[in-house]
Amino acid sequence: TQLLEQSPQFLSIQEGENLTVYCNSSSVFSSLQWYRQEPGEGPVLLVTVVTGGEVKKLKRLTFQFGDARKDSSLHITAAQPGDTGLYLCAGAWNAGNMLTFGGGTRLMVKP
Amino acid sequence: EAGVVQSPRYKIIEKKQPVAFWCNPISGHNTLYWYLQNLGQGPELLIRYENEEAVDDSQLPKDRFSAERLKGVDSTLKIQPAELGDSAVYLCASTPAWGGEQFFGPGTRLTVL
Repeated sequence: TQLLEQSPQFLSIQEGENLTVYCNSSSVFSSLQWYRQEPGEGPVLLVTVVTGGEVKKLKRLTFQFGDARKDSSLHITAAQPGDTGLYLCAGAWNAGNMLTFGGGTRLMVKP
Repeated sequence: EAGVVQSPRYKIIEKKQPVAFWCNPISGHNTLYWYLQNLGQGPELLIRYENEEAVDDSQLPKDRFSAERLKGVDSTLKIQPAELGDSAVYLCASTPAWGGEQFFGPGTRLTVL
């Protein structure tokens, strides 16, 4: 059983569409991170959110941390083929940076 | 600056054979992690080192898995004997001692036949 549940598991969309990926847990996290992983590579950090209700933007990507710090979402506007990859959320319970990863959302953006 | 280096990138072995993976973290990063990642899933922590000390190995299957980081720099993860279910990507990550972002290596993809 994953402590962090990501949905959807798979998403295939056309270029230009918008999408939202969700990361949910019954646990409270001190921080939550989003990673993107391409085939044959390790995950690369996109953003860290710390404060409940926090919203961070990274170009066309918008990340939100839930008020109770139990869930998070990633919204991509006008998706591009280069956004294709595995998106992982990971929660930390303390400043020691021990991460628990979700199962990931595999995104495919078709041109 | 060089990132986390892992070798080999790919390994194919027959079941019951031993296998070893090597990781060289980013220079100056005292904390090193080994993760296992099954296809289409998120990484799962196997072991964490602070310098040469294994501070969390609760998820490491100690009957067949072992790890070492003798000089507190590079690390080796070993499986002996390997089983079919060990087929996965083994990721290494490092972070400065004060925490923060974990930097991942490209992983070693293990296939056990």
